Amino acid sequence: QKEVEQDPGPLSVPEGAIVSLNCTYSNSAFQYFMWYRQYSRKGPELLMYTYSSGNKEDGRFTAQVDKSSKYISLFIRDSQPSDSATYLCAMSALGQGAQKLVFGQGTRLTINP
Amino acid sequence: NAGVTQTPKFQVLKTGQSMTLQCAQDMNHNSMYWYRQDPGMGLRLIYYSASEGTTDKGEVPNGYNVSRLNKREFSLRLESAAPSQTSVYFCASSGTGIYGYTFGSGTRLTVV
Repeated sequence: QKEVEQDPGPLSVPEGAIVSLNCTYSNSAFQYFMWYRQYSRKGPELLMYTYSSGNKEDGRFTAQVDKSSKYISLFIRDSQPSDSATYLCAMSALGQGAQKLVFGQGTRLTINP
Repeated sequence: NAGVTQTPKFQVLKTGQSMTLQCAQDMNHNSMYWYRQDPGMGLRLIYYSASEGTTDKGEVPNGYNVSRLNKREFSLRLESAAPSQTSVYFCASSGTGIYGYTFGSGTRLTVV
């Protein structure tokens, strides 16, 4: 069993829809949770970062962490075609230094105009 | 522009050939990483360097070696390339007080 599981999709939704992306994990030592966005043929870029359980909002993006269920989510409101990308969840036990992130497989998302 | 620079961007090797992937960062980050990305497998850690002068194995180190040349540079070497090493390789860095990684744009390697 992988430490981090993520449905690879693909996921296709119409413009303006609310998108929900999810990951589950098995390592209870994980405390730092991130979402990366990766456009085709580019490197991943950090989108959202959260520590421990709770919610964090940044514009149209909301990240949720439920440590009791070992489940994290990313919500995208009012989705735009420019949001079409692969979204990777990542997590680590350390927040700084050699963080050794463990990544999910990534979910390929397409927003249709 | 500040960031992580990887060279080359593309490479085709024959089985058994060797090559070194180069990575440099100009953000004064202490830690650097090499990942490979394969379809259905996500990003997997090959090697990392917590600080200048140290290197450690990640999840999939077999067939690779690394060198932390100085604080800026971290290279990945394939001594005898195999078709199973066909992948996209990403270098990343992270620093004190900074959460998450900054990634390079990747090296697309094909071994035939």
